[in-house]
Amino acid sequence: GQQVMQIPQYQHVQEGEDFTTYCNSSTTLSNIQWYKQRPGGHPVFLIQLVKSGEVKKQKRLTFQFGEAKKNSSLHITATQTTDVGTYFCAGRNDYKLSFGAGTTVTVRA
Amino acid sequence: ETGVTQTPRHLVMGMTNKKSLKCEQHLGHNAMYWYKQSAKKPLELMFVYNFKEQTENNSVPSRFSPECPNSSHLFLHLHTLQPEDSALYLCASSQTRDRGNQPQHFGDGTRLSIL
Repeated sequence: GQQVMQIPQYQHVQEGEDFTTYCNSSTTLSNIQWYKQRPGGHPVFLIQLVKSGEVKKQKRLTFQFGEAKKNSSLHITATQTTDVGTYFCAGRNDYKLSFGAGTTVTVRA
Repeated sequence: ETGVTQTPRHLVMGMTNKKSLKCEQHLGHNAMYWYKQSAKKPLELMFVYNFKEQTENNSVPSRFSPECPNSSHLFLHLHTLQPEDSALYLCASSQTRDRGNQPQHFGDGTRLSIL
């Protein structure tokens, strides 16, 4: 079955630094969604990518969909304490949406 | 305010108890979902309902019994659960069942602990 893997599982970042989290699928995806879950909260939809090679930006967050539509990345620049949380990717294939295990981000002030 | 409300927020129950989780969405969506979230694991989809009809059951044990009386309400009835069932249970909704093309809106979840 379809599997979506995320790396790293944990990301400890110094405030102000950049980091990237990666999402890899075992199968070609129709689209991919990203969600953020704050500690003690629930997943909140961030963005959806559909086209091969698509890049979308939300302020300091840059999302990219791979050319083969099997991987995606989320890059955060100038990390802030508000970026703390777990970032999930969710890939769609054959009408099934599979979530990755998430990257949990902590920030050192 | 997410538009998806789950009650209770926390639940502690014994293995022989019967309890129910409730989810209500105020977004006018037609699809609703139950997920299980355990530590260090991906979100596990349990059930999908579309226009009140169950369209997906991901091999969930029968001790979990969903009910969807209308498009706005979703229940998860619990009976004779096991300690490994302790987790955060999340309800979500989306416009329709074709969930891959639409964002899902999650509730705050019910933190379930089985003694």
